[in-house]
Amino acid sequence: DTGVSQNPRHKITKRGQNVTFRCDPISEHNRLYWYRQTLGQGPEFLTYFQNEAQLEKSRLLSDRFSAERPKGSFSTLEIQRTEQGDSAMYLCASINGPGPLGYEQYFGPGTRLTVT
Amino acid sequence: TQLLEQSPQFLSIQEGENLTVYCNSSSVFSSLQWYRQEPGEGPVLLVTVVTGGEVKKLKRLTFQFGDARKDSSLHITAAQPGDTGLYLCAGARGGNQFYFGTGTSLTVIP
Repeated sequence: DTGVSQNPRHKITKRGQNVTFRCDPISEHNRLYWYRQTLGQGPEFLTYFQNEAQLEKSRLLSDRFSAERPKGSFSTLEIQRTEQGDSAMYLCASINGPGPLGYEQYFGPGTRLTVT
Repeated sequence: TQLLEQSPQFLSIQEGENLTVYCNSSSVFSSLQWYRQEPGEGPVLLVTVVTGGEVKKLKRLTFQFGDARKDSSLHITAAQPGDTGLYLCAGARGGNQFYFGTGTSLTVIP
């Protein structure tokens, strides 16, 4: 078990370009979450998957954002026509809950996006 | 507007001092979690509390869940420089979605 991994760790792109991030959750975890976090603030929920089904999306997830989890394993988050306001840390978390302590999220290291 | 408000937002203390961080909401949560996050990394889970009034202790850290399951506190005794980081609370409502607090940035000065 290597934990949750995310790639790339850093991405710098020009405004208007498309970017795609990848998240590999802990292998036996069936739920996968995407969050966005700006500096010094708490993560904000974007969307989550139960296996391959995308069950909930935040209103923060505009039509420029799309997420997939095609085989219920890894997930991708794509942002089209990036804007400077998209600059943030994008975090992925996986869950295999509930365990004895309830639903416990395990986070990846995040992808830091900078839009110039 | 975030569902959970944390206070204080920033805290800078000397090594050896005690501190308390508060996490408040008007909503009820089925469970509440505390995380610590270091710069450039994802949050790391510290504890989950699920019962109103529950108190959990992890070494120098004491976590309490309010009786009404709307608020929580984190108390650190004899803070050390290694405690420096961003502390986040997160409430779960039915396990489908987690709502994070606004965060408390703690700096412990040696």
